[in-house]
Amino acid sequence: DAGITQSPRHKVTETGTPVTLRCHQTENHRYMYWYRQDPGHGLRLIHYSYGVKDTDKGEVSDGYSVSRSKTEDFLLTLESATSSQTSVYFCAISEGTGGSQPQHFGDGTRLSIL
Amino acid sequence: GIQVEQSPPDLILQEGANSTLRCNFSDSVNNLQWFHQNPWGQLINLFYIPSGTKQNGRLSATTVATERYSLLYISSSQTTDSGVYFCAAPGAGSYQLTFGKGTKLSVIP
Repeated sequence: DAGITQSPRHKVTETGTPVTLRCHQTENHRYMYWYRQDPGHGLRLIHYSYGVKDTDKGEVSDGYSVSRSKTEDFLLTLESATSSQTSVYFCAISEGTGGSQPQHFGDGTRLSIL
Repeated sequence: GIQVEQSPPDLILQEGANSTLRCNFSDSVNNLQWFHQNPWGQLINLFYIPSGTKQNGRLSATTVATERYSLLYISSSQTTDSGVYFCAAPGAGSYQLTFGKGTKLSVIP
């Protein structure tokens, strides 16, 4: 199994509070991704990183920011959480860009915003 | 961007039966991936298959890139095969994988 750890695994918070999700990998892969999964929408890319301090937006980036200060860690921040950001969040990693190498996923974080 | 469509959306099988899941994509791609999301929510990469056929135990996948589709075969299905199967493909020149909406498979004893 790919060494990907997401934390926390579950979180309940209130509207307007900041939230940070962490993804930690032990595979030394260059590329890291944050997705959200919602019923009826499948998996959608929020942000991705192609190296330390190198990040870019995905399909649904509004309301989210990311940071990558070390190869192994990729943080997703909701500056002021809204109920529409209630979702299951997945981190993924790959050696190569986009689909050029297999992507492997963490176990997800279930986030509820009340 | 690329469109990825999967069929059927839902499938119920008796244990031991075989099945074929289909993934169509709107543009030419240089690779395609199949994932299984088990009932606990974990996403497992089953195949990375740019073209041709790959096999892994009871599962095999075939991608025909020129005709823009991929097939996932499950033989002698088991209850542990239940879950949602996703295919995903990158858009041309894109870092991003686009996922289909998935096929929900239920294998009953």
